[in-house]
Amino acid sequence: DVKVTQSSRYLVKRTGEKVFLECVQDMDHENMFWYRQDPGLGLRLIYFSYDVKMKEKGDIPEGYSVSREKKERFSLILESASTNQTSMYLCASSFTGGKRYEQYFGPGTRLTVT
Amino acid sequence: SQKIEQNSEALNIQEGKTATLTCNYTNYSPAYLQWYRQDPGRGPVFLLLIRENEKEKRKERLKVTFDTTLKQSLFHITASQPADSATYLCALVMDSSYKLIFGSGTRLLVRP
Repeated sequence: DVKVTQSSRYLVKRTGEKVFLECVQDMDHENMFWYRQDPGLGLRLIYFSYDVKMKEKGDIPEGYSVSREKKERFSLILESASTNQTSMYLCASSFTGGKRYEQYFGPGTRLTVT
Repeated sequence: SQKIEQNSEALNIQEGKTATLTCNYTNYSPAYLQWYRQDPGRGPVFLLLIRENEKEKRKERLKVTFDTTLKQSLFHITASQPADSATYLCALVMDSSYKLIFGSGTRLLVRP
């Protein structure tokens, strides 16, 4: 079974702090994704990576950056956390090739910025 | 503007009945459409993918239809069970893109 793990289930940070969210997958997937999920807005793509050290902006990259130094690990960084970044953050991964659209999600990190 | 719409009101049905959830979209031309299940406090889980040239797809008690003329997908769960209670998300996939575009989901409640 594919396993996608995220470093924390719940996180509380203060405004202005630098926040790191870590995601690890164990299925040798090439693609990794970071989403945020807010009530009524669905999942929105922040960034994705299709290879080590490669990244592309999603629909809402402002205020975020990412790092992918190893294939299995994809980090989301909030450079200076703000209250409007309070949300559920979900990491996902997928293969390239025929099954590339089937994404496997982690359990999510509920981040609260106070 | 581009939009994906799923009924924001919860669907409440009796165990054993068929649940039908709707996903409508405007100003997209997806190559594929997917359905995911999400339980509270968990990440979505992939259920089914249907291609634009497929009218219908089945997997056990699940059936998905895809009408590119109406720009609509229907998701059916037959012989529903309380364990089917969850939020169901549809997601569009554009051709040659890794990105998914998600609807906000519909919550299904199956009463025993």
